[in-house]
Amino acid sequence: DAGITQSPRYKITETGRQVTLMCHQTWSHSYMFWYRQDLGHGLRLIYYSAAADITDKGEVPDGYVVSRSKTENFPLTLESATRSQTSVYFCASSEPGEYQETQYFGPGTRLLVL
Amino acid sequence: AQSVAQPEDQVNVAEGNPLTVKCTYSVSGNPYLFWYVQYPNRGLQFLLKYITGDNLVKGSYGFEAEFNKSQTSFHLKKPSALVSDSALYFCAVRVLASGSARQLTFGSGTQLTVLP
Repeated sequence: DAGITQSPRYKITETGRQVTLMCHQTWSHSYMFWYRQDLGHGLRLIYYSAAADITDKGEVPDGYVVSRSKTENFPLTLESATRSQTSVYFCASSEPGEYQETQYFGPGTRLLVL
Repeated sequence: AQSVAQPEDQVNVAEGNPLTVKCTYSVSGNPYLFWYVQYPNRGLQFLLKYITGDNLVKGSYGFEAEFNKSQTSFHLKKPSALVSDSALYFCAVRVLASGSARQLTFGSGTQLTVLP
């Protein structure tokens, strides 16, 4: 039972390059989320998706693009990476319902933009 | 808008002593409240949540949290700390409202260090 996986785990890129971070979950959860974690800020929501082909912006969406053609995958693309996008990125998923709602997180991707 | 505050960046406690990690929240409506733990180079792991009902919630690894509506707080507690409890702890909130996006708002995190 793999749960939720992210790839790559570590990535170094240069300013201006396009980078795609992958997220895959095996639970068939409806909701998926992308967060970035920066010191002093906790986790901030970038984008989320309620189902395949339904996505919406979070708190810090600028410079990022997402897609969700399949329920299990939710890739995050940095169209033109900037140094300020150096961060740790976490993907999460959840299943809505009054007594569920818990988000389950992947192991994270550490991205360094030079 | 919803927000979460964790007033302490760092909490140190001796092994065997009780620990408390503080969290206060601000929402318009009834809150869902969560605690997550993050070990070094790992993703966040769910500890416990308050949805409704009993104000004292018990979770994984002996942790518990008390929901206090009048003080808008949801402090994490454990009667006897272990060195292995040393980690980064996050409080999170979302509002229970039909049609609302299921977004969690996280606090900035509290680094707990349990000293042997």
